[in-house]
Amino acid sequence: GENVEQHPSTLSVQEGDSAVIKCTYSDSASNYFPWYKQELGKGPQLIIDIRSNVGEKKDQRIAVTLNKTAKHFSLHITETQPEDSAVYFCAASPYRYKLTFGKGTLLTVNP
Amino acid sequence: DVKVTQSSRYLVKRTGEKVFLECVQDMDHENMFWYRQDPGLGLRLIYFSYDVKMKEKGDIPEGYSVSREKKERFSLILESASTNQTSMYLCASRPVAGGSYNEQFFGPGTRLTVL
Repeated sequence: GENVEQHPSTLSVQEGDSAVIKCTYSDSASNYFPWYKQELGKGPQLIIDIRSNVGEKKDQRIAVTLNKTAKHFSLHITETQPEDSAVYFCAASPYRYKLTFGKGTLLTVNP
Repeated sequence: DVKVTQSSRYLVKRTGEKVFLECVQDMDHENMFWYRQDPGLGLRLIYFSYDVKMKEKGDIPEGYSVSREKKERFSLILESASTNQTSMYLCASRPVAGGSYNEQFFGPGTRLTVL
């Protein structure tokens, strides 16, 4: 089955800096790659996603890139703010419903 | 606003007890999921339901069963709770209509402790 590796497991940045989280996947059939943000005490919430026919997608300060050949995708957050502090999960989907998640990255943005 | 609610935020049970975790969604979504979240392991799929009375095993179904008698409600059952089932349990729902790839909407989670 699909296997998703996520790095780093923890990331600490200064407010205003950029943050990058990287994921690799194993199943070449995966064609949908969402990113979820989980704040303390809450369930994960989708923040951005990308499909396999697109190389990059941007939404304000958040961007995701996908390299299908290398089987890796990354989340980029620019001009980080304290409210960006959370756990971020990447995921890959080889079929319509199934998501395989990475182990998560704890992002801390220091004021 | 999509809402997925879980019956308890915190639950403490004893080894060997039968435990029911309830999840309700209010958006008429066909698909519902139960995940388990453990530190350093991410989210792992326990069971999935396509629609009412339909279910499919996920990656870690051992020790769990599920029930979906109504579209809005998906229950996770621990037949005989064990200490290694102490974890955070997350329920999610997803619509089928609207394309092949649809966001999963998560509830706030139930933190279960088995003593």
